[in-house]
Amino acid sequence: NAGVTQTPKFRVLKTGQSMTLLCAQDMNHEYMYWYRQDPGMGLRLIHYSVGEGTTAKGEVPDGYNVSRLKKQNFLLGLESAAPSQTSVYFCASSSRTGGALNEKLFFGSGTQLSVL
Amino acid sequence: GESVGLHLPTLSVQEGDNSIINCAYSNSASDYFIWYKQESGKGPQFIIDIRSNMDKRQGQRVTVLLNKTVKHLSLQIAATQPGDSAVYFCAERSRYGQNFVFGPGTRLSVLP
Repeated sequence: NAGVTQTPKFRVLKTGQSMTLLCAQDMNHEYMYWYRQDPGMGLRLIHYSVGEGTTAKGEVPDGYNVSRLKKQNFLLGLESAAPSQTSVYFCASSSRTGGALNEKLFFGSGTQLSVL
Repeated sequence: GESVGLHLPTLSVQEGDNSIINCAYSNSASDYFIWYKQESGKGPQFIIDIRSNMDKRQGQRVTVLLNKTVKHLSLQIAATQPGDSAVYFCAERSRYGQNFVFGPGTRLSVLP
């Protein structure tokens, strides 16, 4: 199994440009998350989803939008990128119904985004 | 604000020694805790977890201790190896929700 796959791995944007990060999981997890990680700080939750068609705001949602049209995919959009959004973005998934092995967060390998 | 934090931002240990990484949490409703390891350029990797109905759990070379009275979590790594060098995060989840809250992380450096 591939687990959690994120694309792209690297991206450079100019201020004001838009882009979408794609996250895909093949573990049939209900829950999916987008985190950002900045130097010296832990992972901060941007948005999350508890199921297909539902999304909710996390700790730092401003400037981002998400969509969960299919259970296995969770998209993170930046409509107008700002330098403050330069960060490493991680997608994760988990499940409460898949047994103890699936309760933990499974992470993708991350996307390094630079906004100039 | 952060409800999960770490006492030490960096920790240096000699190869072969035991390492102890600490974490404090403030949410008394948290019932599930996880330790993650993150190597440079990679996503966090699961190390070990523990539920609030337990005080201790052991894995391969790792032990997690949970003290609910003082809201403290620790990760012990036995016979630390160079491959253990990484940033370690603790995370907690409330029994009333699905979100995990992460601490800022501790960088573990293993000295030869």
